[in-house]
Amino acid sequence: AQSVTQPDIHITVSEGASLELRCNYSYGATPYLFWYVQSPGQGLQLLLKYFSGDTLVQGIKGFEAEFKRSQSSFNLRKPSVHWSDAAEYFCAVVTNTGTASKLTFGTGTRLQVTL
Amino acid sequence: DTEVTQTPKHLVMGMTNKKSLKCEQHMGHRAMYWYKQKAKKPPELMFVYSYEKLSINESVPSRFSPECPNSSLLNLHLHALQPEDSALYLCASSWGPRETQYFGPGTRLLVL
Repeated sequence: AQSVTQPDIHITVSEGASLELRCNYSYGATPYLFWYVQSPGQGLQLLLKYFSGDTLVQGIKGFEAEFKRSQSSFNLRKPSVHWSDAAEYFCAVVTNTGTASKLTFGTGTRLQVTL
Repeated sequence: DTEVTQTPKHLVMGMTNKKSLKCEQHMGHRAMYWYKQKAKKPPELMFVYSYEKLSINESVPSRFSPECPNSSLLNLHLHALQPEDSALYLCASSWGPRETQYFGPGTRLLVL
């Protein structure tokens, strides 16, 4: 079955430091992969997505992610973190269930930013 | 415009009440979703509507009843809920089942 793993439950970085959030997927074919961000009590905002093509994907708010098939990874990066980036980050993959498709989420990584 | 709206933002209900959550999108999307999210957990899929027909029901208890009156509107009818149903309920929509999902801000539900 298709799945997504986010190994880091909680990460703390200093403002201005670089960030990398890890995401590993399990999928037989080329996956459709997403990163979403969620501030407390809010809905999910799409940061970026990968369907095919260029393996380095640019997103909003200065985020990027790189699809690496050999490592089954889709890690999220940002060169310089801002205090407003503190939130929960979810990696997700579209999975097929025969007659329909659905989004399967990782368990999330909570990012804390220290000033 | 990628906006999905949800009403109400907050809802408190007793276990014998009947209430409804509403979700609306005007992006022409043909797939709409309901998710339930407990604190510190990822969203869990409840229902998927594709072209106004229910295509996925993730074994959700019958006290949750979805309805898709038209391609822009999705309702979730609630009846005889339990305290453990307290959660953030998220709606999302997409062009199709494998396309990017856009989420609404959610309804925070408290069942007393």
